[in-house]
Amino acid sequence: DADVTQTPRNRITKTGKRIMLECSQTKGHDRMYWYRQDPGLGLRLIYYSFDVKDINKGEISDGYSVSRQAQAKFSLSLESAIPNQTALYFCATSDRRTSEETQYFGPGTRLLVL
Amino acid sequence: QKEVEQDPGPLSVPEGAIVSLNCTYSNSAFQYFMWYRQYSRKGPELLMYTYSSGNKEDGRFTAQVDKSSKYISLFIRDSQPSDSATYLCAMSATGTASKLTFGTGTRLQVTL
Repeated sequence: DADVTQTPRNRITKTGKRIMLECSQTKGHDRMYWYRQDPGLGLRLIYYSFDVKDINKGEISDGYSVSRQAQAKFSLSLESAIPNQTALYFCATSDRRTSEETQYFGPGTRLLVL
Repeated sequence: QKEVEQDPGPLSVPEGAIVSLNCTYSNSAFQYFMWYRQYSRKGPELLMYTYSSGNKEDGRFTAQVDKSSKYISLFIRDSQPSDSATYLCAMSATGTASKLTFGTGTRLQVTL
């Protein structure tokens, strides 16, 4: 079984709709992240969480919100989706106890906003 | 200008070739340098992690950092079709994963 899972894997929605992307991990890591990936722009950090009570904005948080329901679960919400939020979204985890803080990525959610 | 520049490719090489992938950066505070590999429809996975300048080797992969030139490279020896993927460089000033700046990725195709 995959250590970092994301649901759904693909989603088509309409402008103005609220949607939620979910991420779960079985790695026991304390830190979790949400990125979006766009052609020509690379990976950009949306939000990150160092533990359940510590949530921080990343580079591009406008239009997004997150919830860390448990150490293993981190959800990303688009309150009112717009077409320029069409992208590939990745969840990642890391363990602060390691000397080289490697991030482990989920398989991604491909989102299309019409 | 982006903090990290990476040629998007695509780069096409025959099997067995030596591949050189590169990134340049502008922020002199960067000290931690990483290379990720991303297969189609998959998330990135860490290939190499280096601190400061110098070389690091792992099997067919060698990561090289030249901080004086603000230039990092990933060399792949004896390239295989299974190396076909997008390679992303990433770097950080602090070493914490929350402060990574990624390149846009170079798509590599290794042909038979």
